[in-house]
Amino acid sequence: AQTVTQSQPEMSVQEAETVTLSCTYDTSESDYYLFWYKQPPSRQMILVIRQEAYKQQNATENRFSVNFQKAAKSFSLKISDSQLGDAAMYFCAYRSAEGFYFQGGSEKLVFGKGTKLTVNP
Amino acid sequence: DGGITQSPKYLFRKEGQNVTLSCEQNLNHDAMYWYRQDPGQGLRLIYYSQIVNDFQKGDIAEGYSVSREKKESFPLTVTSAQKNPTAFYLCASSIWRDNEQFFGPGTRLTVL
Repeated sequence: AQTVTQSQPEMSVQEAETVTLSCTYDTSESDYYLFWYKQPPSRQMILVIRQEAYKQQNATENRFSVNFQKAAKSFSLKISDSQLGDAAMYFCAYRSAEGFYFQGGSEKLVFGKGTKLTVNP
Repeated sequence: DGGITQSPKYLFRKEGQNVTLSCEQNLNHDAMYWYRQDPGQGLRLIYYSQIVNDFQKGDIAEGYSVSREKKESFPLTVTSAQKNPTAFYLCASSIWRDNEQFFGPGTRLTVL
């Protein structure tokens, strides 16, 4: 079974600075997807960024970027120019690509336990 | 507006009672999911359904039941067999073969 580990329960950053959240995962599969979700105090889960394992290029979405190291099974999230609105719980998640090949395959997300990010003004 | 709705937002239940959480989506998504969130635990999958009238157990299905009679709806029943039901419950949906799962706003269930 796949597992996702976030080793930093809490992180803090000064407004306008850069912060990196860590995520490692364990899988025997070669084809999968990785995600970072944000959960603000409203508790609404919001997709921040996604990465396909077959792509070598790291995904970027505006101020958010990832460092995907497939061999090391590492998937860190970098937030540049941090804003007060970035304060939230951040969850790393893994999804097998199996569900893409046949209906009935696993489409479930496996989540890490989360990192609480505080942004200081 | 398209989206996922969950009701109620807060739910209180006495021990020994069954309770049903509602999840509706108008995104025309094939797949729907139920997750449970506990403090410090992240999200864990309870049940998921990829098509109408079919559903699969997730990692923590014991004490829960679901139905999928309509594409738009995927209600979750928390039964009296669930030993520790107090938690935050999130419903999600996705198009089959698409990466992104869209989440509802959640229901906070408290057992008194």
